[in-house]
Amino acid sequence: GENVEQHPSTLSVQEGDSAVIKCTYSDSASNYFPWYKQELGKRPQLIIDIRSNVGEKKDQRIAVTLNKTAKHFSLHITETQPEDSAVYFCAPRSGAGSYQLTFGKGTKLSVIP
Amino acid sequence: GAVVSQHPSWVICKSGTSVKIECRSLDFQATTMFWYRQFPKQSLMLMATSNEGSKATYEQGVEKDKFLINHASLTLSTLTVTSAHPEDSSFYICSARTNLVSRGRNEQFFGPGTRLTVL
Repeated sequence: GENVEQHPSTLSVQEGDSAVIKCTYSDSASNYFPWYKQELGKRPQLIIDIRSNVGEKKDQRIAVTLNKTAKHFSLHITETQPEDSAVYFCAPRSGAGSYQLTFGKGTKLSVIP
Repeated sequence: GAVVSQHPSWVICKSGTSVKIECRSLDFQATTMFWYRQFPKQSLMLMATSNEGSKATYEQGVEKDKFLINHASLTLSTLTVTSAHPEDSSFYICSARTNLVSRGRNEQFFGPGTRLTVL
């Protein structure tokens, strides 16, 4: 199965600074790489995703970069705001045709006003 | 669009009883539904994958006789926790996906979760 490692587990940044979270996966056949944001007691929300044929994708203050050779992808949040405080999960999807997502252990991001 | 609901949102039950959780795709037909369990301050762990009309596929370590999954239609899947014990207390989340390219067939749409507390 897919082994997923996510770093760091916690991250504190000053409001306005950037945050970067990295996710490493093991299955070279993985072809879909989403990032989810989860607030306490709520469902995970997809914030950005990238397909295996693309190296980078940006949506306003959020971007994801993918390095398939090294098998890792990263979430970049610029100009952080207090409402960005949450737990973020990467969840690469195996290319085995099952459409299953394997979630990383999560990163608790705290944005300090 | 792509709304998934869960019912109930929370439930408290006595040890030894069974609890049924429903997961519905409200505006699309779900080819596949997934059930996850999330303990406090931990990640989502996939319990099982179910395709409409066929038996669920359980992940290693998940007891299929304890966690009964039924996916009887393209819009409804149910998870029944049988003979629940305090260690089954957790946040149970379902997700659903569709084969339709127009609805983003790569994406899983998550339900709001069900908080189960077993006394």
